[in-house]
Amino acid sequence: GAGVSQSPSNKVTEKGKDVELRCDPISGHTALYWYRQSLGQGLEFLIYFQGNSAPDKSGLPSDRFSAERTGGSVSTLTIQRTQQEDSAVYLCASSRQWGTEAFFGQGTRLTVV
Amino acid sequence: KQEVTQIPAALSVPEGENLVLNCSFTDSAIYNLQWFRQDPGKGLTSLLLIQSSQREQTSGRLNASLDKSSGRSTLYIAASQPGDSATYLCAVSSGAGSYQLTFGKGTKLSVIP
Repeated sequence: GAGVSQSPSNKVTEKGKDVELRCDPISGHTALYWYRQSLGQGLEFLIYFQGNSAPDKSGLPSDRFSAERTGGSVSTLTIQRTQQEDSAVYLCASSRQWGTEAFFGQGTRLTVV
Repeated sequence: KQEVTQIPAALSVPEGENLVLNCSFTDSAIYNLQWFRQDPGKGLTSLLLIQSSQREQTSGRLNASLDKSSGRSTLYIAASQPGDSATYLCAVSSGAGSYQLTFGKGTKLSVIP
């Protein structure tokens, strides 16, 4: 596609429910990042995928968070048993490979009520 | 651990002025540095990427410089316009086993007509 696509753009969920956030990177980009941006805060790194290598999960805040990247393309970030503090904008980015220009999607705004 | 600081947190200038945004990082062993802008409620738009071997990059009215040894980068915006109003973020790729982009908290720029 022309850019990084994220869906849904907005998600409201009840506390305790599971949610899945989707990221379609730019075609041919092997590197993919997930970040979280809470209100008034900076960007918090969550996870990084590079091709078929093991992902760097060092930023995941708890075991309720997980992510997959199928076929080296689409990625899904799953949050289980959502809590109110999970409310944030979740941003995905891709680049041709690590160390090259990163392009971000428009984000998914998650609200846990 | 790499830390990125952007000062000031907010800046207001009259239209037409030239301005400089600052970014500093604690570990000079970076691979590259990237500047982004973020409009309210939107994702990040890539502006400029500077590799560690480069001193500056230019795109239109934007010029970014990098002084790796002192841990600093500046983004120069010439002849500012109201459309330049946004939050500007810098991010560094450090390598050496760390794959994440480390972001500053941004400078919120307002250009007054």
